[in-house]
Amino acid sequence: SAVISQKPSRDICQRGTSLTIQCQVDSQVTMMFWYRQQPGQSLTLIATANQGSEATYESGFVIDKFPISRPNLTFSTLTVSNMSPEDSSIYLCSAPGTGGTDTQYFGPGTRLTVL
Amino acid sequence: QKEVEQNSGPLSVPEGAIASLNCTYSDRGSQSFFWYRQYSGKSPELIMFIYSNGDKEDGRFTAQLNKASQYVSLLIRDSQPSDSATYLCAVNFPRGSNYKLTFGKGTLLTVNP
Repeated sequence: SAVISQKPSRDICQRGTSLTIQCQVDSQVTMMFWYRQQPGQSLTLIATANQGSEATYESGFVIDKFPISRPNLTFSTLTVSNMSPEDSSIYLCSAPGTGGTDTQYFGPGTRLTVL
Repeated sequence: QKEVEQNSGPLSVPEGAIASLNCTYSDRGSQSFFWYRQYSGKSPELIMFIYSNGDKEDGRFTAQLNKASQYVSLLIRDSQPSDSATYLCAVNFPRGSNYKLTFGKGTLLTVNP
């Protein structure tokens, strides 16, 4: 498995501002993933963060709104920019486990409320 | 559009019974299948994965896969109140990144003491 931490665990922000979420993995991984879970909904993949290259965004998500950094093999950040109340969600990062399987393990999540 | 379908529930079972959770997926070429448990207010926790047709058992949990029917299920034997959670089915579709998962909307399971 992988041990993943995220900061902050929760935040309340004003509309129009930006929040950067940090994700740390306890082992080196090639890919990290950012998901959004809106209230009462399942997980939706925002983007794949690749070390050494630009993040790959899913349909409906754009870099200007959700810029991602991946400075090394254990760390990534997701910024939620120019926030609106519709961005209120739980944001989760994940990473593959060790051992050669394609399993993914999740961090504890960041609960974001935008007023 | 790759889809993963689950009955949203809620599924209510008495303590000690078998809980059966079902999931269907749209892409016949899918290779990897996962079950996650998510307690309210917590992040998803991986409990089972299965790659081959048939059954895979781990303690009280059994994952069943039928690729011909595009169907994967999770059985929980001797259900306990602590099993009460939302169970998410996830499928790794083969196109693009090997690690890109698509999740179903989850089934809420309630185990009654």
